Amino acid sequence: ERVMTQSPATLSVSPGERATLSCRASQSVSINLAWYQQKPGQAPRLLIYGASTRATGIPARFSGSGSGTEFTLTISSLQSEDFAVYYCQQYNNWPRTFGPGTKVDIK
Amino acid sequence: EVQLVESGGGLVQPGGSLRLSCAASGFTFNSYWMHWVRQVPGKGLLWVSRINNDGSSTDYADSVKGRFTISRDNAKNTLYLQMSSLRAEDTAVYYCARDLLTGYQLLPFDYWGQGTLVTVSS
Repeated sequence: ERVMTQSPATLSVSPGERATLSCRASQSVSINLAWYQQKPGQAPRLLIYGASTRATGIPARFSGSGSGTEFTLTISSLQSEDFAVYYCQQYNNWPRTFGPGTKVDIK
Repeated sequence: EVQLVESGGGLVQPGGSLRLSCAASGFTFNSYWMHWVRQVPGKGLLWVSRINNDGSSTDYADSVKGRFTISRDNAKNTLYLQMSSLRAEDTAVYYCARDLLTGYQLLPFDYWGQGTLVTVSS
């Protein structure tokens, strides 16, 4: 099983600032890595797949990078609606596995 | 508009059974692989099970293998999760989710339902 880790656990950022979230896989997952955003009481929302491709309707301030075992999600200028929990997920292998999440909150 | 609507959650005693349903609409249901993912309130996401588009192939997380059964009725556009021998640690919100595309095996989940809460407690 591919174990996914994320850092930091919590990221405190001011609106308008840049946020950089990290995700690491225990073994290579190629570029089969997705990022999801989840707000309280809501289902996860797909942001990025293929490590760097934005899903339909996702603003350009969200970008992803990386391959193999190291991945990054960058939010270039945080908006109020971006404060949420972000999960990475590998879909290169079964079982599909998620990271523990990074909570982005208001500084 | 793609919609996934789960139902069937509730309170069940340890050792009991429950069947979850996920009604799909707005897309060609019989073309997509489907999944169940669960989340303990306030915790992370755990993939539970998947089924291919025609129901001929399934897979499960080790933690539910032998206790849960995923199935689908393409005529009714509905996905199911039959859960038996339930344990306290199965308490979670259960989401159904759809693969991003058809015809590929390495895909994330693009649409999710709103979730249904299963509570296993005496």
